[in-house]
Amino acid sequence: SAVISQKPSRDICQRGTSLTIQCQVDSQVTMMFWYRQQPGQSLTLIATANQGSEATYESGFVIDKFPISRPNLTFSTLTVSNMSPEDSSIYLCSVRTDRAEQYFGPGTRLTVT
Amino acid sequence: GNSVTQMEGPVTLSEEAFLTINCTYTATGYPSLFWYVQYPGEGLQLLLKATKADDKGSNKGFEATYRKETTSFHLEKGSVQVSDSAVYFCALRPLNTGNQFYFGTGTSLTVIP
Repeated sequence: SAVISQKPSRDICQRGTSLTIQCQVDSQVTMMFWYRQQPGQSLTLIATANQGSEATYESGFVIDKFPISRPNLTFSTLTVSNMSPEDSSIYLCSVRTDRAEQYFGPGTRLTVT
Repeated sequence: GNSVTQMEGPVTLSEEAFLTINCTYTATGYPSLFWYVQYPGEGLQLLLKATKADDKGSNKGFEATYRKETTSFHLEKGSVQVSDSAVYFCALRPLNTGNQFYFGTGTSLTVIP
């Protein structure tokens, strides 16, 4: 299994600012992902965080808005840049282990005012 | 395309009642199917999964059978407990697409004593 922690757990931010969310896993994992869960909607994959190279973004998400880092096999960050109220969501880190099991973090609840 | 349609909630049941949460999917090929559970304040946890037609996933008294003919993966439990109160997400991962999970919108379950 994999235990995932995220920081912060929640935040309230002003329009136009940026927030960096951290994801830490208790073991080395093959793959790390970032998801968004907008109010009343299902989870949507933002990007796959690649170690040592640029993240792979899904359609509708771009690096300038959601820069991602993954410096090693247990840590990743997601930045939500130039925020607007539409960015108010829960952001979840997810990992996949060598056994192809997928785990999710507790999420970061972001409110943009 | 790929999508998951999940029974809308919230669902409120008395303890020891029978639970069914409906889930149907659209997918190309033969996806893997999952149920995740999210307890208050925690991340999503894998509840059960099935990787091919007619497979039955089971865990903690919950069951779901992969029905290819009806493209369904309904979650059932014979006797719910208060501790089962959570949000349940149905999800699929298409074959050979690597990273993308497709989630339903989640069904909130509250079990009352």
